Amino acid sequence: QQQVKQSPQSLIVQKGGISIINCAYENTAFDYFPWYQQFPGKGPALLIAIRPDVSEKKEGRFTISFNKSAKQFSLHIMDSQPGDSATYFCAAYYNQGGKLIFGQGTELSVKP
Amino acid sequence: GAGVSQSPSNKVTEKGKDVELRCDPISGHTALYWYRQSLGQGLEFLIYFQGNSAPDKSGLPSDRFSAERTGGSVSTLTIQRTQQEDSAVYLCASSLVAGSGQPQHFGDGTRLSIL
Repeated sequence: QQQVKQSPQSLIVQKGGISIINCAYENTAFDYFPWYQQFPGKGPALLIAIRPDVSEKKEGRFTISFNKSAKQFSLHIMDSQPGDSATYFCAAYYNQGGKLIFGQGTELSVKP
Repeated sequence: GAGVSQSPSNKVTEKGKDVELRCDPISGHTALYWYRQSLGQGLEFLIYFQGNSAPDKSGLPSDRFSAERTGGSVSTLTIQRTQQEDSAVYLCASSLVAGSGQPQHFGDGTRLSIL
């Protein structure tokens, strides 16, 4: 099954709060999991990525947590800022080819 | 160039017409990908190139869609006899090579509207 399920569809967080976005997958052939950030009218920009042999990766305010046995991974945005307001996509890279399979996206709004 | 460049940024055309969308990848990137982003379907993979070869065309929705890449650089996505359901943003990405773990860098897309 080449699907990545993402939730929630939309998220409102107060400035300074923690934003959490979750993704789940079924296909064990996925072996690389990037997160992308997209602003209106722009293409997706790579934010952070993780491999399944690592349980957590942190870059600045952004952290990916990965649970290989549960086939789930999540993005945590600490100290969320209004400038973080964007659509976030999780994705999975299929190791048999060159394509990324994307989740449906989460529209994040950080209120001042 | 500094980033992936796509042209035109916007295209409005009548149903039944053919359209060509262009992608200029990051200099030195040998892999190039086409995706489609629409409200109902999210981000969908269409096709990718490693050099001038297209190992995976599985995402092309119909035989009206085709893509080519010449000289290992610029790629063109062609949609023949456009239909209203083809309206979407067409995104191009590139990476150093095709393979897991290789970051894909996206352009800002071509917004295609079929009247």
